[in-house]
Amino acid sequence: GENVEQHPSTLSVQEGDSAVIKCTYSDSASNYFPWYKQELGKGPQLIIDIRSNVGEKKDQRIAVTLNKTAKHFSLHITETQPEDSAVYFCAASNPYTGANSKLTFGKGITLSVRP
Amino acid sequence: GAVVSQHPSWVICKSGTSVKIECRSLDFQATTMFWYRQFPKQSLMLMATSNEGSKATYEQGVEKDKFLINHASLTLSTLTVTSAHPEDSSFYICSAHGLAGYNEQFFGPGTRLTVL
Repeated sequence: GENVEQHPSTLSVQEGDSAVIKCTYSDSASNYFPWYKQELGKGPQLIIDIRSNVGEKKDQRIAVTLNKTAKHFSLHITETQPEDSAVYFCAASNPYTGANSKLTFGKGITLSVRP
Repeated sequence: GAVVSQHPSWVICKSGTSVKIECRSLDFQATTMFWYRQFPKQSLMLMATSNEGSKATYEQGVEKDKFLINHASLTLSTLTVTSAHPEDSSFYICSAHGLAGYNEQFFGPGTRLTVL
């Protein structure tokens, strides 16, 4: 089955700097890669996603890039703000497993933005 | 759009009792709902997948008789933790899938269960 690795487990950046979070996946058939932000005590919030037919997608300060050959994808946050501090999860999905779009999650990374 | 609600947001119960958690998709019809549990500082662990009108599919190691899932309509799924014990204390989160695009899952706010 799919295996999603997310490293490191924590990342600290200065407010205004950029943050990059990387994930790797193992199943070359996976074609959907969402990123979720989870604040303490809340459910994950979908912030951006990408499908395998594109290499990059942007939404204001957030972008995601996908390298299918290397099987890794990254979340880029520019001009970080304290409210970006949260746990970020990457995930991958293979629609051909017949598993109703089941997502495989990485272990999450805690991003801290220092004021 | 794509709002998922859960009720209750937190619950405290005595050991041996059963607890029901509701998950609703408020502005779309969810063909599939997923139930996860999450321990502190850990990732989400998928417990089961439920499709409207059919039996849930449980992940390996999840006791289907302990975690009863019902998906009676396209907007409501329920998870009942039967005969709860302290080790069942966790953060339970549902997600819903079913929008026009494919694969997106939208999560509820979670339910904190504490079993005394």
